[in-house]
Amino acid sequence: DGGITQSPKYLFRKEGQNVTLSCEQNLNHDAMYWYRQDPGQGLRLIYYSQIVNDFQKGDIAEGYSVSREKKESFPLTVTSAQKNPTAFYLCASSNPGTADYGYTFGSGTRLTVV
Amino acid sequence: AQTVTQSQPEMSVQEAETVTLSCTYDTSESDYYLFWYKQPPSRQMILVIRQEAYKQQNATENRFSVNFQKAAKSFSLKISDSQLGDAAMYFCAYSPYGGATNKLIFGTGTLLAVQP
Repeated sequence: DGGITQSPKYLFRKEGQNVTLSCEQNLNHDAMYWYRQDPGQGLRLIYYSQIVNDFQKGDIAEGYSVSREKKESFPLTVTSAQKNPTAFYLCASSNPGTADYGYTFGSGTRLTVV
Repeated sequence: AQTVTQSQPEMSVQEAETVTLSCTYDTSESDYYLFWYKQPPSRQMILVIRQEAYKQQNATENRFSVNFQKAAKSFSLKISDSQLGDAAMYFCAYSPYGGATNKLIFGTGTLLAVQP
């Protein structure tokens, strides 16, 4: 079955440490996205990529970095510059311009600072 | 900038009854998509229904239907014959049509409780 796989499900980060969240899709979707979810704030866009080797900052990109070296993969690194990284992170993909356009989401990664 | 507003942080409905969740949005675009997503306690985001702005007919998916009022920029979700499994957080979302970006803009969500 096609879908999006996020790993790990739970991640703990120490102060000053960089961590990377994995996102892989086998849907052959061109676009991929990272969202952050905090209680009472809905989902906020961190970064998105419309095509391989290209990505754009979203609304809350500070303290995060991404890469898109392969169509299937869009990892997110939470750097030490992100002062409040504890949140739920969702990866998504879509195929804009297609008849069945919509977003498919992964099952998320819960990141906690310890 | 486009925005999505859900003014009902929490709603409650009796099993088998009907409930309507509200959503308004702001955009200067004429072509766009609107979505309702469901997020159960597992936190998996599940697409409930999609509406293309150029279609006047309201979208329906089994017990779920929308009331799309383009001029009023309103997009409400009606759940008929509510079931216990409908209990979840519901997000309204907007996406521009075509163009350089297709990012999805979310409202803050409505937490729906279903009472047996």
